[in-house]
Amino acid sequence: AQRVTQPEKLLSVFKGAPVELKCNYSYSGSPELFWYVQYSRQRLQLLLRHISRESIKGFTADLNKGETSFHLKKPFAQEEDSAMYYCALGHGFNKFYFGSGTKLNVKP
Amino acid sequence: DVKVTQSSRYLVKRTGEKVFLECVQDMDHENMFWYRQDPGLGLRLIYFSYDVKMKEKGDIPEGYSVSREKKERFSLILESASTNQTSMYLCASSPGHGGMNEQYFGPGTRLTVT
Repeated sequence: AQRVTQPEKLLSVFKGAPVELKCNYSYSGSPELFWYVQYSRQRLQLLLRHISRESIKGFTADLNKGETSFHLKKPFAQEEDSAMYYCALGHGFNKFYFGSGTKLNVKP
Repeated sequence: DVKVTQSSRYLVKRTGEKVFLECVQDMDHENMFWYRQDPGLGLRLIYFSYDVKMKEKGDIPEGYSVSREKKERFSLILESASTNQTSMYLCASSPGHGGMNEQYFGPGTRLTVT
């Protein structure tokens, strides 16, 4: 089965601390991985995709095919990073499998 | 700027009612999607359409149907609403060309079935 696992439902860190949101996937083909974010009272939006290899809002994510992981990292968390984060695996005809999501709470 | 709109932000319906959720996108996207979003389960694909009048079942199509008569509009229909269909419903759209594309989401409709 092709799926996405986010093991943490909730992650709480203090402002300025490093943060890592875990994502593991299972896929038989060549994976395309994405991170989506949903801030409070806002719509779900793309944060970054592995193909672009960008850093968005200080976040980076590296695709590790050996460990089948696509963890999202930021060296210094900010309060405005508090949100719901979803890892997504692209498959088939422009479809996604989404993980169950991790709620990031950055404490002052 | 891509805009995906959904007809209602909040909806309360009774068990057994027929429910229509409407989604409109203004970017001429070929693909449109309906998801439900539940805590601890993430987003699950209900139905997908890659062209007018074309549809495919997603992971959880039971109890739902869809309609796409025009490119910009994708409707989700609950033929006979049940309490286990209480959820947040998200519509999304994406271009149909150029590989795996970003999906653009609407604001969501929170449906409560009593």
